[in-house]
Amino acid sequence: AQTVTQSQPEMSVQEAETVTLSCTYDTSESDYYLFWYKQPPSRQMILVIRQEAYKQQNATENRFSVNFQKAAKSFSLKISDSQLGDAAMYFCAYRSPLDDMRFGAGTRLTVKP
Amino acid sequence: DGGITQSPKYLFRKEGQNVTLSCEQNLNHDAMYWYRQDPGQGLRLIYYSQIVNDFQKGDIAEGYSVSREKKESFPLTVTSAQKNPTAFYLCASSTGQGRYNEQFFGPGTRLTVL
Repeated sequence: AQTVTQSQPEMSVQEAETVTLSCTYDTSESDYYLFWYKQPPSRQMILVIRQEAYKQQNATENRFSVNFQKAAKSFSLKISDSQLGDAAMYFCAYRSPLDDMRFGAGTRLTVKP
Repeated sequence: DGGITQSPKYLFRKEGQNVTLSCEQNLNHDAMYWYRQDPGQGLRLIYYSQIVNDFQKGDIAEGYSVSREKKESFPLTVTSAQKNPTAFYLCASSTGQGRYNEQFFGPGTRLTVL
């Protein structure tokens, strides 16, 4: 099974600043998809952003963007202009046509006012 | 509004009892999933179903059972054989094996064994 590693159990950022959350994954496949999910205190999982492996252009969704390095198998999430509502657990996930969704252990993000 | 509902939100069970967690979706999704979430760990797949009347074991299926008699419903039974059932359980659905098959999640059920 593929593995997803989030090496930062906790991160903090000052409101309005930028923070980057790391994610690496292990796969031998060339066609796959990567996701970042947010889980706020309500525990509802919300999709933040997604990336297809065959697309070289990094995905962007408003203040959220990714740095996808396919050769390095790295998929980091950058949050710009951090807001108090961004405080949550963030999960990196991997999925391929032949495999189920695989989640990392998560990074808890704290936003300081 | 389309979405996924899980009930109850909190569930308490005595040791040795079976308990069933409900999951319903009105998104017309073919695939449904059950995950378990423990502190400090990511989501782990218990069971999934790609189509009605068919389901497959995930990574941690022991002590759990499911059924998929209707497209909209995918209940999970936690049996007395599950040694450590206290956890947060998430149900999800997706359109199937399409390229952008992100998963949509329900609000979860917190199960506590007393």
